[in-house]
Order: sequence, then structure tokens, then C-alpha cells
Amino acid sequence: AQSVTQPDIHITVSEGASLELRCNYSYGATPYLFWYVQSPGQGLQLLLKYFSGDTLVQGIKGFEAEFKRSQSSFNLRKPSVHWSDAAEYFCAVALYQGGKLIFGQGTELSVKP
Amino acid sequence: DVKVTQSSRYLVKRTGEKVFLECVQDMDHENMFWYRQDPGLGLRLIYFSYDVKMKEKGDIPEGYSVSREKKERFSLILESASTNQTSMYLCASSVGSGTDNEKLFFGSGTQLSVL
Repeated sequence: AQSVTQPDIHITVSEGASLELRCNYSYGATPYLFWYVQSPGQGLQLLLKYFSGDTLVQGIKGFEAEFKRSQSSFNLRKPSVHWSDAAEYFCAVALYQGGKLIFGQGTELSVKP
Repeated sequence: DVKVTQSSRYLVKRTGEKVFLECVQDMDHENMFWYRQDPGLGLRLIYFSYDVKMKEKGDIPEGYSVSREKKERFSLILESASTNQTSMYLCASSVGSGTDNEKLFFGSGTQLSVL
């Protein structure tokens, strides 16, 4: 079945440590890929997106993500986490440009001092 | 900056009541969406609209309807609220064309409790 999976429901990292949030998709063709962040009490905000071209994409707030076709993955990374990065992160796909977004289950990130 | 405003942050209703959730965007976006967010399930699309007076069902439209009489306003209606509709409801909008078509701008959400 077509799906977007975020295997980790909750992750805790220490401030200053590196971060990787996983996202896998199951579709026949390569979809358009997105990461959104939801800070407490806020709506979602787009961090970055991948349509085509360079498989390593840079986003806002120091985040990056790498598309790996062979693994059907689009993992989000940050070299050094700040306490303000504590939030819920959602991976999403669109099957074509202009198509509706399909979201993963979300990964909640906690940052400890 | 784009602003998407949802009329209520918290709402408490009784089973069987008719509930209106309102959403207004101020950037002349063509597309508007209603999602519900539940723990462990992420965001699920209820309805969306690509134009005034136009609507399309999302993945979970049962028990909901929508109205888009003006471009800037998209209303979600629960005809007869039930307890399983207790959830966080998120409204979003997007441009409607061009490379940023998929970039959604979200409201802060309405936490609806149905008792």
C-alpha cells in the first residue's frame, strides 16, 4: 500500500548533538518530498522540499535532508541541535506537482540540556 | 507574511451539535485545506478546495462538509458532532500554481472536544 512512514515516534537528543529523523515512502514513482515542523502551539512550517536534482537539499533553521532513491528515504538531519528545535516533525509527499500532501505520523523531538 | 487564521483555538461541543470551524487566509491563495491531527496518525486530509465554490474529498471526509463561498474563507462543518471527532483541526492554504504550489501555510489549529 502507498504510505509515508516515520519509524520513530519520539526521539531525545542532547543540545549540541547531531540529529537524524527518518522518513520512508512507499510509492511506485519518486514523489515530491517535504519536511514540516510544528512547534508547540503553532501550525506547521515548511523546512525544506525536494523535487528533483541534487539529492541533498538545504532548508531553514540549519536543517538538511538527503533523498536516497535506493532506500526510498528522505531523512532529515541537523549537525548541532538547539533547545529551540524541540518540536514535532512531519515528513510529507505529493505524488505530482500540485498534488495533495500526504503526511507521515510525525516524530516528536525532545532536546535535553 | 501569509497569515492563516482559525477562528477558535479551543472549542467544546456536545454530541449531536452542528459545529462550524472557520478559516481565513489573507494572501489570495487559490488552494485551501482542512486536516485533522491525531497522536500517532499524523495529519489526515478531510477536504480541500482549489477554487471558490469548489470542493474535493480528502482521505477522511465522512461526517464532515465544507463551504467556500469566498476565496479567502474555507469553513469546515460537522453536521452532527460525535465523540470520535474530538481532534486538532488544522487549516492550510497554498498558492495554487507555480513551483511553490505544494508549500502549505498553516493556521495554529482548533482543538475541538466533543463531549
